[in-house]
Amino acid sequence: GAGVSQTPSNKVTEKGKYVELRCDPISGHTALYWYRQSLGQGPEFLIYFQGTGAADDSGLPNDRFFAVRPEGSVSTLKIQRTERGDSAVYLCASSSRGTRTDTQYFGPGTRLTVL
Amino acid sequence: AQSVTQPDIHITVSEGASLELRCNYSYGATPYLFWYVQSPGQGLQLLLKYFSGDTLVQGIKGFEAEFKRSQSSFNLRKPSVHWSDAAEYFCAVGEAGGSYIPTFGRGTSLIVHP
Repeated sequence: GAGVSQTPSNKVTEKGKYVELRCDPISGHTALYWYRQSLGQGPEFLIYFQGTGAADDSGLPNDRFFAVRPEGSVSTLKIQRTERGDSAVYLCASSSRGTRTDTQYFGPGTRLTVL
Repeated sequence: AQSVTQPDIHITVSEGASLELRCNYSYGATPYLFWYVQSPGQGLQLLLKYFSGDTLVQGIKGFEAEFKRSQSSFNLRKPSVHWSDAAEYFCAVGEAGGSYIPTFGRGTSLIVHP
């Protein structure tokens, strides 16, 4: 079946602009995760959804970052007033139930460049 | 807080040679441990994971890893590397009693020479 998809694959924006990044998880997966991967680093956790609710948003760096998952499937990561330091690859992952033994399946990521 | 150290930023091996990628973790209790591979333009793919039981874990693509509690290590091995194994490899640790959000190491880039 289809894997996790993310759109757009690349996004270039100017400092101060607003951006939205979309994640389509594997159908039926209740758990969805957002990570950020800076150059030369491993993925860094941002937020975790279980169904429609954010179960853990402790990784969001500040209030410019926000994510939603209104119907428990597609999720959108929203970044306001973008800064050059926000440039990174944003990864989305989903798992079937979000339990500790579930495997997380990752999408290819969205590369965000803030000029 | 849990943490992961991958001491090697780059590893270069010849095709057909054996491979060992190092991973050390810091965590107070028994951790959940993972190895992921990331090829250019691809998402991370799980190679193997350790939760409990047998400390030698077999994964996909001929990889294995051994959990050594005394050394706080979870090194990844492969007896014979193929050119297609060239990629970025990430070790990750998850809390056994937490919400299962893995913490990733910074990765090791594997270069395979023909």
